[in-house]
Amino acid sequence: ILNVEQSPQSLHVQEGDSTNFTCSFPSSNFYALHWYRWETAKSPEALFVMTLNGDEKKKGRISATLNTKEGYSYLYIKGSQPEDSATYLCAPFTGGGNKLTFGTGTQLKVEL
Amino acid sequence: SQTIHQWPATLVQPVGSPLSLECTVEGTSNPNLYWYRQAAGRGLQLLFYSVGIGQISSEVPQNLSASRPQDRQFILSSKKLLLSDSGFYLCAWSFGDGYGYTFGSGTRLTVV
Repeated sequence: ILNVEQSPQSLHVQEGDSTNFTCSFPSSNFYALHWYRWETAKSPEALFVMTLNGDEKKKGRISATLNTKEGYSYLYIKGSQPEDSATYLCAPFTGGGNKLTFGTGTQLKVEL
Repeated sequence: SQTIHQWPATLVQPVGSPLSLECTVEGTSNPNLYWYRQAAGRGLQLLFYSVGIGQISSEVPQNLSASRPQDRQFILSSKKLLLSDSGFYLCAWSFGDGYGYTFGSGTRLTVV
């Protein structure tokens, strides 16, 4: 079973704060790294798919970086808004199978 | 375009009763199909995945089973539900190449 760790487990920030989370994963047999945004009782929403070492993706106020050699990815949110409140999941795809292994997620709560 | 349907949205079942959750995909052929579960206070755990009709891989031993009777239909079943089967169940599909993982809307199962 792939060991995927996300930190912190939960995070409370004020509106307007910038924040970041970490996803750590085994660097061997790496193929792609997925980030999802998941609101309670809804479908996870795909944010980014990252494949290349040093890759950086951006979507509005959210961006992510990838280091495949050391096995980590950072997700950044600039100027957090209450609607950013959700659980952010990362999932590496190792190519050795056909499945994603999800981390336990970082639960973000943005308060007014 | 491809769509994924999952039902029912919510379900309350007594302990010992059977279960059948259904997931169907439209607009594509030969997708990889997945069942995930989020139990209370835990992350997203892969239960089963399928790369073709009648082909089921089980990730964890449990009280559940899965079947794929048709190319775009994936069914999660149990003969006798346990309290520990309660959780949020998500169906997903992908092309199996490390990209494009799309989730259904989920089923909230409460076993009482």
